[in-house]
Amino acid sequence: EADIYQTPRYLVIGTGKKITLECSQTMGHDKMYWYQQDPGMELHLIHYSYGVNSTEKGDLSSESTVSRIRTEHFPLTLESARPSHTSQYLCASSEAGTEEQFFGPGTRLTVL
Amino acid sequence: AQKVTQAQTEISVVEKEDVTLDCVYETRDTTYYLFWYKQPPSGELVFLIRRNSFDEQNEISGRYSWNFQKSTSSFNFTITASQVVDSAVYFCALSEAYRDDKIIFGKGTRLHILP
Repeated sequence: EADIYQTPRYLVIGTGKKITLECSQTMGHDKMYWYQQDPGMELHLIHYSYGVNSTEKGDLSSESTVSRIRTEHFPLTLESARPSHTSQYLCASSEAGTEEQFFGPGTRLTVL
Repeated sequence: AQKVTQAQTEISVVEKEDVTLDCVYETRDTTYYLFWYKQPPSGELVFLIRRNSFDEQNEISGRYSWNFQKSTSSFNFTITASQVVDSAVYFCALSEAYRDDKIIFGKGTRLHILP
């Protein structure tokens, strides 16, 4: 069973607020990923990291930022949330790029 | 460029029927990996299988089976004797070994198993 955690699971906030979505994994994986997924739709990669101090933007442009100061921790931050940011955000990690990714339970974000 | 196509957007079958979910992929690499993930209503993605491009042997795991055919660039997934708990969105995905290690997901197939 995967040991990857996301908090909060659900978040409802007002426009303009700064938020940080937390993601932690205890598997020692170097590679971590953030995906954005609208309900019932495909996953879009928005950020990824190959290790500490390594972050890259994904295929879908996002106003969010990420950091990777510790191997196990890969938080995502929105400086000023907007209704267009309403979505589900899924964090994942893998041993290597060609290995399966283990996913967290997701954070469902609603911006009013 | 790599691409994954799941042409079936939504499928409904009656419980105990068999159902096959199609997946067609495009890649220029000879070494690549294919995946299937399940996303139940709770939202998390559950890994089901990983296959590398050099292993075309079909795989069976309980009621699940996968048919990998390089000649048609397909990696289809069959559920035998479907159950209501199989209701979920299923994603096929592709990763190329010599690219930047990103997995490309298909758009998913929503499967409804009717009691």
